[in-house]
Amino acid sequence: EPEVTQTPSHQVTQMGQEVILRCVPISNHLYFYWYRQILGQKVEFLVSFYNNEISEKSEIFDDQFSVERPDGSNFTLKIRSTKLEDSAMYFCASTERLATSEQYFGPGTRLTVT
Amino acid sequence: AQSVTQLGSHVSVSEGALVLLRCNYSSSVPPYLFWYVQYPNQGLQLLLKYTTGATLVKGINGFEAEFKKSETSFHLTKPSAHMSDAAEYFCAVSVRSNAGNMLTFGGGTRLMVKP
Repeated sequence: EPEVTQTPSHQVTQMGQEVILRCVPISNHLYFYWYRQILGQKVEFLVSFYNNEISEKSEIFDDQFSVERPDGSNFTLKIRSTKLEDSAMYFCASTERLATSEQYFGPGTRLTVT
Repeated sequence: AQSVTQLGSHVSVSEGALVLLRCNYSSSVPPYLFWYVQYPNQGLQLLLKYTTGATLVKGINGFEAEFKKSETSFHLTKPSAHMSDAAEYFCAVSVRSNAGNMLTFGGGTRLMVKP
């Protein structure tokens, strides 16, 4: 069964450093998402991406964040200058089309900022 | 804007007992509703969803949920709990839009199953 994959599974970085989290969505999916889950808190929407541009973003997704689909398979989330409060589990998701609205989630990348 | 409230951050049941996890939502337009399950150190797996049509939806692992518009609820049930059901369960809502159908999640309910 096709699945969303994410690398790395765990990333440790120092405050102020740039990190790139990588995702490979399901191959025929067209809509891509990033969510995050701070430890002990609810899953929060960050951004959605379609047709090579951001379609929706939350207040969390400020100028420190960016997304890119550099090729036909990868979908990346970049945090330019990490802060302690960026420590969280980051989930990538994809869906084939909006009408079904079923998003398939990857296993997540745990980001630890020290 | 939509929101989701899950009553009870922790629910404990005995093996074989009924599982009931509560979810209430608010949405200004007809919602799509979902239940996801998260096992330790894993991602979110879709259990079931309601988009349109029949209000009682059946999902994987014997779970089902009923969309009650009048009560703005989408409670998750399973007649008989199994030890393997121990996990965190998230209710989520989205609305159809051209912007991207972002999911709004509830706070989650951790289900514990006692032998």
